[in-house]
Amino acid sequence: DAGVTQSPTHLIKTRGQQVTLRCSPKSGHDTVSWYQQALGQGPQFIFQYYEEEERQRGNFPDRFSGHQYPNYSSELNVNALLLGDSALYLCASSLFGTAGAQTQYFGPGTRLTVL
Amino acid sequence: AQSVTQLGSHVSVSEGALVLLRCNYSSSVPPYLFWYVQYPNQGLQLLLKYTSAATLVKGINGFEAEFKKSETSFHLTKPSAHMSDAAEYFCAVSDPGYQKVTFGTGTKLQVIP
Repeated sequence: DAGVTQSPTHLIKTRGQQVTLRCSPKSGHDTVSWYQQALGQGPQFIFQYYEEEERQRGNFPDRFSGHQYPNYSSELNVNALLLGDSALYLCASSLFGTAGAQTQYFGPGTRLTVL
Repeated sequence: AQSVTQLGSHVSVSEGALVLLRCNYSSSVPPYLFWYVQYPNQGLQLLLKYTSAATLVKGINGFEAEFKKSETSFHLTKPSAHMSDAAEYFCAVSDPGYQKVTFGTGTKLQVIP
């Protein structure tokens, strides 16, 4: 049973460019959440997708957008990249509405470097 | 709004000694609480979770945590540290009505031989 997978592993971009990160959830999960983890910090919630809709959003600008596909996989898009967007981007999957669960399983992350 | 505070960004213990990592939470509703571990250049692995059942929660790798409502704490312990426990540990909180997880700033655990 495959866990959460993310691609690519590493990515280098320059300021002003756009980037797309991809995530495949754990088998049986239908909800995907994205987090940004800056160096030396804890992960910060970006947004969550369920049933192909953005259900919740953290305190991130509109430059950050996402998408969820019918097979539950998800993309995170970041436009007009800034140096401060350099971070580890983590995807987490879970099963929406499971009583008492709320457990999110994390992928290995994508390391984005903006030069 | 929910939040967690991890006391001590770095903790050092000797191999075989007690591990104690501190976490205090703030929540206006009964929270769900989690401890995750992150090894270098890897994602987060769930150690244990509290979801309003037993207040003493046992997790993987010999770790456990106790939910104390009166102290708003959820400290992580392990009786005897192993070298393989060296990693960064994150305490996190979630509102049971949502799946947004709010993380603390993390505690790096160093195990000294």
